[in-house]
Amino acid sequence: QKEVEQNSGPLSVPEGAIASLNCTYSDRGSQSFFWYRQYSGKSPELIMSIYSNGDKEDGRFTAQLNKASQYVSLLIRDSQPSDSATYLCAGKYSGAGSYQLTFGKGTKLSVIP
Amino acid sequence: KAGVTQTPRYLIKTRGQQVTLSCSPISGHRSVSWYQQTPGQGLQFLFEYFSETQRNKGNFPGRFSGRQFSNSRSEMNVSTLELGDSALYLCASSLLTGSTGELFFGEGSRLTVL
Repeated sequence: QKEVEQNSGPLSVPEGAIASLNCTYSDRGSQSFFWYRQYSGKSPELIMSIYSNGDKEDGRFTAQLNKASQYVSLLIRDSQPSDSATYLCAGKYSGAGSYQLTFGKGTKLSVIP
Repeated sequence: KAGVTQTPRYLIKTRGQQVTLSCSPISGHRSVSWYQQTPGQGLQFLFEYFSETQRNKGNFPGRFSGRQFSNSRSEMNVSTLELGDSALYLCASSLLTGSTGELFFGEGSRLTVL
């Protein structure tokens, strides 16, 4: 059973602070990881992907992957109220010529002005 | 460029009925995946189609089925509806199967089963 676990939150941070979102996964065969953002009443949208150990930065977002610890994180610097949303962590497992994304249940982030 | 279009957006059915949901992917995208989203279980993978072939299937009963047409449009069908099937059904398209995992989601079809 491939599982992705996230703290459901809610996580509240003040505007301008760093928000840290975490995710663990059970399947060592998972090769790549993705962070999707879902605003209330909207569909998920991809914001970050990470494929190898280490950090990947894109603007105010930094994704971190540690395959040995089976741990993925997303840091949001200078958090803005517009970042308030549910963040979904997803792992991609590839096998037998196909792939499947397994999503965590999401962490709800609230950025307080 | 038009996004992923799902119809209908909202529907109400009663137990025992069946429902068909439709998804038109982004132009040029050949892979369509379906997910069920509920507050308790989150996003759960139903199945993926690529070039009219089902490439992968999640752990859902056989009441859930789907297909893809030659123009990449996809439909999913749920027969003998149960109360627990009430959920948001999301369709996502991507350029190629086995690609980067970058999915583009539609706005979803919200199904309520009474």
